[in-house]
Amino acid sequence: QSALTQPASVSGSPGQSITISCTGTSSDVGSYNLVSWYQQHPGKAPKLMIYEGSKRPSGVSNRFSGSKSGNTASLTISGLQAEDEADYYCCSYAGSSTFEVFGGGTKLTVL
Amino acid sequence: QVQLVQSGAEVKKPGSSVKVSCKASGGTFSSYTISWVRQAPGQGLEWMGRIIPILGIANYAQKFQGRVTITADKSTSTAYMELSSLRSEDTAVYYCANYDSSGYQAFDIWGQGTMVTVSS
Repeated sequence: QSALTQPASVSGSPGQSITISCTGTSSDVGSYNLVSWYQQHPGKAPKLMIYEGSKRPSGVSNRFSGSKSGNTASLTISGLQAEDEADYYCCSYAGSSTFEVFGGGTKLTVL
Repeated sequence: QVQLVQSGAEVKKPGSSVKVSCKASGGTFSSYTISWVRQAPGQGLEWMGRIIPILGIANYAQKFQGRVTITADKSTSTAYMELSSLRSEDTAVYYCANYDSSGYQAFDIWGQGTMVTVSS
């Protein structure tokens, strides 16, 4: 069982928007502004999409956005495109004894 | 641009150990924080531990305490992850990842992954 809870799957049609939730606790997501999101295509290494909850690295499309409320972080992808179909993982810092925890991952299907 | 290149695939017997390397280039190795993250077939990502080469300090996830050792060789800009007492459940792709290579508080650079298969 993963430390952070994500839906196993989400889907949407091209052009639509989807949101993936990531629920933790007051010991991780709720305590630190250090939630990150990763996109992973089959057979590839993860790619950073969002850091510090809502910031986008250089080169990542502005269709990707992140937010947080309480113990839940969210990733929103707007204007869905076929290439967005992938697995998405959230990660949070969890303090100086646990350090980092990942969510179980969400498979995004673009219909 | 920071780049991480990992060693090749391994096949190991149950009870043995494996040591995976992660060679860094394009930056200042001593300033890195290298983590190891594994992914079992069809499963999610799992953080195992990290090392800060400039300090020589390693931290481990509780699940792997006593079975994993993460080290770094500053002379060759290489980090290592050794996992002992291997069992079939350790079959996974093992990634190294650097934290905050470019001012991003996250794992912003990843190695290509190393497949470790544990089988008798």
